Amino acid sequence: AQSVTQLDSHVSVSEGTPVLLRCNYSSSYSPSLFWYVQHPNKGLQLLLKYTSAATLVKGINGFEAEFKKSETSFHLTKPSAHMSDAAEYFCVVSERMTTDSWGKLQFGAGTQVVVTP
Amino acid sequence: DTEVTQTPKHLVMGMTNKKSLKCEQHMGHRAMYWYKQKAKKPPELMFVYSYEKLSINESVPSRFSPECPNSSLLNLHLHALQPEDSALYLCASSQPRDRGPSWRNTEAFFGQGTRLTVV
Repeated sequence: AQSVTQLDSHVSVSEGTPVLLRCNYSSSYSPSLFWYVQHPNKGLQLLLKYTSAATLVKGINGFEAEFKKSETSFHLTKPSAHMSDAAEYFCVVSERMTTDSWGKLQFGAGTQVVVTP
Repeated sequence: DTEVTQTPKHLVMGMTNKKSLKCEQHMGHRAMYWYKQKAKKPPELMFVYSYEKLSINESVPSRFSPECPNSSLLNLHLHALQPEDSALYLCASSQPRDRGPSWRNTEAFFGQGTRLTVV
């Protein structure tokens, strides 16, 4: 069975400082992992994805994430936060699909990012 | 075009009304989804359509009735809803890979959602 844990429900950073959002996963098989961002009253936008290629994944808007199998982690980072990064971030895992799990994405609880001037 | 379009953006309905939410994608994706999202919570899966057939129903009450008329369209018919059904309803689509040992779900593309209020 798959699961995902976002270790921080709320992160506050100053504009121009680094952002770190932590995500740990549990999966029976080598998973696919995603980070999505959701601005208030909007849909979810894909930031980046890991699908068993390079372990360091670069995404949009300067975000990147590193897949560490030994630590079962997929932390999201950005070197310099911008005011527009204020949003909710979801770590999502999808593993090898079976008939029962087909199409299912497992969402973390989310991390609310606040950016202060 | 990586867009999933949902209409309407906002909907207010009474508990005796019948309404429908619509979702459209033109990416050629053969999997489409309905999610329900309450405030400050992650999306919860409701239904999955695979190749226009319902493949997953997450024990959703029958007052929610999905329909997939063709590979580009997904509807959610609403009838006799309760105030607790008020939420953001998200549609998503993805392209499933062929079945095999490394069969995985690809990334899902989400619409902007319909904000539903039941009064």
